Amino acid sequence: IAGITQAPTSQILAAGRRMTLRCTQDMRHNAMYWYRQDLGLGLRLIHYSNTAGTTGKGEVPDGYSVSRANTDDFPLTLASAVPSQTSVYFCASSDSEETDTQYFGPGTRLTVL
Amino acid sequence: GQNIDQPTEMTATEGAIVQINCTYQTSGFNGLFWYQQHAGEAPTFLSYNVLDGLEEKGRFSSFLSRSKGYSYLLLKELQMKDSASYLCAVRDSNYQLIWGAGTKLIIKP
Repeated sequence: IAGITQAPTSQILAAGRRMTLRCTQDMRHNAMYWYRQDLGLGLRLIHYSNTAGTTGKGEVPDGYSVSRANTDDFPLTLASAVPSQTSVYFCASSDSEETDTQYFGPGTRLTVL
Repeated sequence: GQNIDQPTEMTATEGAIVQINCTYQTSGFNGLFWYQQHAGEAPTFLSYNVLDGLEEKGRFSSFLSRSKGYSYLLLKELQMKDSASYLCAVRDSNYQLIWGAGTKLIIKP
């Protein structure tokens, strides 16, 4: 693994189903983030984690949950998917250096029908 | 509220220079980032400004004026591969990134 990986690449999901998006990084970054990106809007933060064992809510957390059991993994769960959760989801991690630059995974394209 | 404004779309010619502007109103300021995002791909980091002035990195430069809440990304010697969206993001007082909607740059031969 080099950087951040996300799975699946894309998914079509029936409304009401539960879904977990996976994110793994091998850069030993402390902080990790989940964003959604919708056409015409900026990236919006769903949840974040500053370090393993802690999580926080972002701008649009409703309907989503996260866990951070270890440094490398940061899964995002949709407990009961709704069509408004159709989006592209990006996971990111940051290096906690002076600039704290965020680096992004390749994204998951999710369609909820 | 917090707001980042960028033009929705710009067109430029291969070999030319283009300036993409970003204005922001945020609760606090702890740095400004520019990212490049090709269609269907993840954003990739381009530049970071925290002090006023110009930061140059090869063909790309980024400028910041904190008093004016303003930044620009300058791309020189444009190449077809520069066709992408350019995202401006500001880190606020809570150390969260607030993102603009992005500027789609179209390069014509």
